[in-house]
Amino acid sequence: IAGITQAPTSQILAAGRRMTLRCTQDMRHNAMYWYRQDLGLGLRLIHYSNTAGTTGKGEVPDGYSVSRANTDDFPLTLASAVPSQTSVYFCASSDAGGTYNEQFFGPGTRLTVL
Amino acid sequence: AQSVTQPDIHITVSEGASLELRCNYSYGATPYLFWYVQSPGQGLQLLLKYFSGDTLVQGIKGFEAEFKRSQSSFNLRKPSVHWSDAAEYFCAVVRPGAGSYQLTFGKGTKLSVIP
Repeated sequence: IAGITQAPTSQILAAGRRMTLRCTQDMRHNAMYWYRQDLGLGLRLIHYSNTAGTTGKGEVPDGYSVSRANTDDFPLTLASAVPSQTSVYFCASSDAGGTYNEQFFGPGTRLTVL
Repeated sequence: AQSVTQPDIHITVSEGASLELRCNYSYGATPYLFWYVQSPGQGLQLLLKYFSGDTLVQGIKGFEAEFKRSQSSFNLRKPSVHWSDAAEYFCAVVRPGAGSYQLTFGKGTKLSVIP
């Protein structure tokens, strides 16, 4: 069982370019999340999806978009990358309808925008 | 808005010593409470969680945490630290009934272990 996979592992990107970070889970979880992690700030929620076909904004959504066409995939798109989007991005999923709300995290994508 | 405070940015302890990492939350009702650990270059792993019931919860790797409603705290403890415990620790909360089950994280406490 792979759990959550993220791709790419790391990426260096020129400012102004478009970039999509991929996230796939094989646990059939209905909820998925994108966080960014910055030194001294912890993890902050960018966007989330409670179920396929729905998405919502988190704490820091500006400059990012998401889609949830099916249960397993939750890509995060930077339409026009800026240097302030340099960060480590984590995807997570949870069985939000279950008894417990443990979120399982992927290994992360390290993104550098120059 | 709910918030999570981890007052200690960095803690250094000797191997074999006891450990307590502090976490306070700011919210009227008792949220769901979590502690995650992140080893260098890795994702986050859940150590333990509190939803209701017994206020002392046991987790993996010998960690435990105690929920104190009067202090709005959920401190993480370990009686004897091992060198492999060096990592960053995050406290997180979810407000029950919020609908979106969003985790709000503290800023983290980095633990260094001296041999």
